[in-house]
Amino acid sequence: SQQGEEDPQALSIQEGENATMNCSYKTSINNLQWYRQNSGRGLVHLILIRSNEREKHSGRLRVTLDTSKKSSSLLITASRAADTASYFCATVLTDSWGKLQFGAGTQVVVTP
Amino acid sequence: GAVVSQHPSWVICKSGTSVKIECRSLDFQATTMFWYRQFPKQSLMLMATSNEGSKATYEQGVEKDKFLINHASLTLSTLTVTSAHPEDSSFYICSASKWQGTSRTEAFFGQGTRLTVV
Repeated sequence: SQQGEEDPQALSIQEGENATMNCSYKTSINNLQWYRQNSGRGLVHLILIRSNEREKHSGRLRVTLDTSKKSSSLLITASRAADTASYFCATVLTDSWGKLQFGAGTQVVVTP
Repeated sequence: GAVVSQHPSWVICKSGTSVKIECRSLDFQATTMFWYRQFPKQSLMLMATSNEGSKATYEQGVEKDKFLINHASLTLSTLTVTSAHPEDSSFYICSASKWQGTSRTEAFFGQGTRLTVV
């Protein structure tokens, strides 16, 4: 079964607004990763946050991790039309040799 | 960053035939690769873990005789969909990560292969 649940399933915003999506998981993890996928394409890695980290930044992206609540959030600030994509969280379980369990994904549409 | 190349990017085949998909790590050695399947508007589901020089490990519900995985070298894993049927039509994606000290890096994904069985 999928490890992660994401919400919202879909998000529609205007350029310049911030987009926030959340991910929850069920068991102990080694790290959590966020990926982006444009329609019909492969995945692009955005950020990896380890289980002993609480927050991480990369450009306009901010990821938080709360291991006590088993949840993570991805914030995209000052969104652009080019940010339109599906965003997935994926967890690496402890002792899982690096295999990923993906959440259901959040489809983000940014309108100009 | 590391590059994982997948080929072909799309393939159409007739029902009953077999299709081979290749996944290569171009600038690093990948002792372990992973194969995922993604149906339209759904998330990625892990199918199997491909281990160089040994048998693949399949996730529950994935038929190992239908999805043959071969990882004969440190840079190449192949997935063969045998006797493909229309319900096998999907987007197949491979990934690999590198060892960094005693931990693994993020996963690097291939471009994916869209398989359509007619």
